[in-house]
Amino acid sequence: EVQLVESGGGLVQPGRSLRLSCAASGFTFDDYAMHWVRQAPGKGLEWVSGISWNSGSIGYADSVKGRFTISRDNAKNSLYLQMNSLRAEDTALYYCAKDPHSSGWTPFDYWGQGTLVTVSS
Amino acid sequence: QSALTQPASVSGSPGQSITISCTGTSSDVGSYNLVSWYQQHPGKAPKLMIYEGSKRPSGVSNRFSGSKSGNTASLTISGLQAEDEADYYCCSYAGSSTYVVFGGGTKLTVL
Repeated sequence: EVQLVESGGGLVQPGRSLRLSCAASGFTFDDYAMHWVRQAPGKGLEWVSGISWNSGSIGYADSVKGRFTISRDNAKNSLYLQMNSLRAEDTALYYCAKDPHSSGWTPFDYWGQGTLVTVSS
Repeated sequence: QSALTQPASVSGSPGQSITISCTGTSSDVGSYNLVSWYQQHPGKAPKLMIYEGSKRPSGVSNRFSGSKSGNTASLTISGLQAEDEADYYCCSYAGSSTYVVFGGGTKLTVL
């Protein structure tokens, strides 16, 4: 059974940093691209970033480019999102999502339950 | 404002069919056969319902179907059931600069 478990969310002040993690199990992690998708409270879905199976292809939404860094450790079956210079508008539930391809951008066939990031002073 | 345009809400009675539209541009929906649809119940993670425009993942009911015409994709749910009441989001690949765009979501109410 595919499982994606996010962690690392919390309350953080504007301008500070936070690192999210996603622990994957139930599939061969290094065969697939992975993504972060976020959802602000009461709002819709927004793709944040994606990374190919070997980290050779990485993409970011314009809203986070230059501030967020996606990475993965295939030996640890883990996906990460380093978030710097956080803003109030980054407040959201952050989902880790699996791609059914080794290097692609959509779709997202499995999702975690999310980790909540709140940016506030 | 979302990159893809969906109606905010649609409704239908049990047993009826409804269609949710998703309008993009020639830079996303119109250029790639990579539209996907997600169902999200309150407090739950999204679930993939349709990918590559019209394909259903294993385990998804054949009451769900997808199509595309020009810059507009559509999700049709036939034989509406109470459990179909949820938010639905469309998503498209948008090229090597923008990558991925979502619609704003459509709330489906089963009357």
